Amino acid sequence: SQELEQSPQSLIVQEGKNLTINCTSSKTLYGLYWYKQKYGEGLIFLMMLQKGGEEKSHEKITAKLDEKKQQSSLHITASQPSHAGIYLCGADEGTYKYIFGTGTRLKVLA
Amino acid sequence: NAGVTQTPKFRILKIGQSMTLQCTQDMNHNYMYWYRQDPGMGLKLIYYSVGAGITDKGEVPNGYNVSRSTTEDFPLRLELAAPSQTSVYFCASSLTTKRMGGTQYFGPGTRLTVL
Repeated sequence: SQELEQSPQSLIVQEGKNLTINCTSSKTLYGLYWYKQKYGEGLIFLMMLQKGGEEKSHEKITAKLDEKKQQSSLHITASQPSHAGIYLCGADEGTYKYIFGTGTRLKVLA
Repeated sequence: NAGVTQTPKFRILKIGQSMTLQCTQDMNHNYMYWYRQDPGMGLKLIYYSVGAGITDKGEVPNGYNVSRSTTEDFPLRLELAAPSQTSVYFCASSLTTKRMGGTQYFGPGTRLTVL
């Protein structure tokens, strides 16, 4: 079965710094979802990438999909304390089932 | 907009007790899912449903049961609670499962502790 590996597992950055989170798949990626989770809350959908080379942005968060590398990256520009949380990537396996990475825990120091 | 709601938010059970985790969505989604999230382990699919009356096992179904009598509701039943079921449980729903067309919307989660 497909697996998604995220790196780094945790990240602490100073407010205003840029950062990148990676999500690598063990199989071909046909597309990918990014979610954000705050402690005690559910997952909030950020964006979906469907095609190789696709890049999407939402406010200061940009995500790209590299099909050849079977990888997606999430980049945050000028991080803020509101960006803190757990970021998860997810992908469907072609059936009704989704898989998720183990998450990257982000802390932003004010 | 309610979206996906879950009750209760927190629960402590004794070993061997039973309980039902409730999940309701008001988006008229056909597809619903139950996940558990253990620390550092990501999300594991317990059960899913493709419509009222149709359910199927996910990756970790042992110790759980589900039913789907209506489009809106997808309760998860724990019959004999065990410490290994201590986790955070999330319910999700999606409109479709067409490849990459099925964005899942999640409830806020139920934090369950079995002692």
